[in-house]
Amino acid sequence: GEDVEQSLFLSVREGDSSVINCTYTDSSSTYLYWYKQEPGAGLQLLTYIFSNMDMKQDQRLTVLLNKKDKHLSLRIADTQTGDSAIYFCAESIGSGNTPLVFGKGTRLSVIA
Amino acid sequence: EPEVTQTPSHQVTQMGQEVILRCVPISNHLYFYWYRQILGQKVEFLVSFYNNEISEKSEIFDDQFSVERPDGSNFTLKIRSTKLEDSAMYFCASSRGLAGVNEQYFGPGTRLTVT
Repeated sequence: GEDVEQSLFLSVREGDSSVINCTYTDSSSTYLYWYKQEPGAGLQLLTYIFSNMDMKQDQRLTVLLNKKDKHLSLRIADTQTGDSAIYFCAESIGSGNTPLVFGKGTRLSVIA
Repeated sequence: EPEVTQTPSHQVTQMGQEVILRCVPISNHLYFYWYRQILGQKVEFLVSFYNNEISEKSEIFDDQFSVERPDGSNFTLKIRSTKLEDSAMYFCASSRGLAGVNEQYFGPGTRLTVT
């Protein structure tokens, strides 16, 4: 079955880069997503990558996908205190409106 | 910017009672979803809904659960007889229903506490 795993905690200093890692098991994943959850708020879609891509960059965010190892990462450049949140990795199987399978989330703490 | 809204933000109920969680999806979206997150666990898919019927559901979505779109804007999740293990954060989401990437937009969640 599908499974998505993430480390639970990450702490970085303000201005440094953060790298949040995720592994997944289903090789038929078509899209992989990163969501952000701030305290008391819902899940905010940050970015996604199609499974035939290796990298996607969007301003301070860089997504790297290693399909062979089923490993996804999210790099946040110049991390700010406002980036403190829980980051969820998710996958969808097939195209269209299939359910998302989420990891447990990584809590990012940014130290000023 | 349009967003998914959910009410109430927190619901406390006694075991065995019925609860209805409400959601207003983004207006031009066609697919609607419910997910839940038990404290400390993963966000889990419950059900998806399209064209006034259930599109897909998980094993969690048993006969105690039902969904409805009672009018043109609301999407509800009903739990008929709540159990202690139903305590969780319930998230509603919606998507445009296009082929390809499935961009789901989530509401802020309803925290359900069953005592």
